[in-house]
Amino acid sequence: TQLLEQSPQFLSIQEGENLTVYCNSSSVFSSLQWYRQEPGEGPVLLVTVVTGGEVKKLKRLTFQFGDARKDSSLHITAAQPGDTGLYLCAGAPYSGAGSYQLTFGKGTKLSVIP
Amino acid sequence: SQTIHQWPATLVQPVGSPLSLECTVEGTSNPNLYWYRQAAGRGLQLLFYSVGIGQISSEVPQNLSASRPQDRQFILSSKKLLLSDSGFYLCAWIRGRGTEAFFGQGTRLTVV
Repeated sequence: TQLLEQSPQFLSIQEGENLTVYCNSSSVFSSLQWYRQEPGEGPVLLVTVVTGGEVKKLKRLTFQFGDARKDSSLHITAAQPGDTGLYLCAGAPYSGAGSYQLTFGKGTKLSVIP
Repeated sequence: SQTIHQWPATLVQPVGSPLSLECTVEGTSNPNLYWYRQAAGRGLQLLFYSVGIGQISSEVPQNLSASRPQDRQFILSSKKLLLSDSGFYLCAWIRGRGTEAFFGQGTRLTVV
């Protein structure tokens, strides 16, 4: 069974601070996605990283896929209250019986205080 | 573009009553469809997935069942709800073999 561990589970910071959340596994994934979820809504895809070592930027958000394709990080620069939400990472397995499924982490709940 | 519709948004049901949640997808054919349950704003627990009409895979033994009567329709059901069935239910379409997921708006189910 593939598992994704996210850390920290909870994070409360002041507006303008920087933060990094992590997604780690002992398994190798063909790709990894990050989602953001607001209360009462479904998760929304932010980014997909596919290549080991890949870095993608989405405005103030920087996503990195580990060289070994087992881990990823999300860095937010100058956090804003609008960044508040639950951040989920999900890994796509390689081919096999489980290849129709995504493995989700338990999420990092971020609160940005004005 | 693809869109996924899920309803109702909220539901309060008494213990022992039946359940039917519906999910439909537009803009794609032969989608891989999924039902997840999320407890207390945390991680997603995969309940069922379907790769085609009439094909259902169950991940967790429980009081729930799923059906895929049409290509773009996925239904989550229960004959008799339990208190422990309360939660936030999400339908998702996953592109290809385990790549990006696109979620419905979710259904907040409270069993009383």
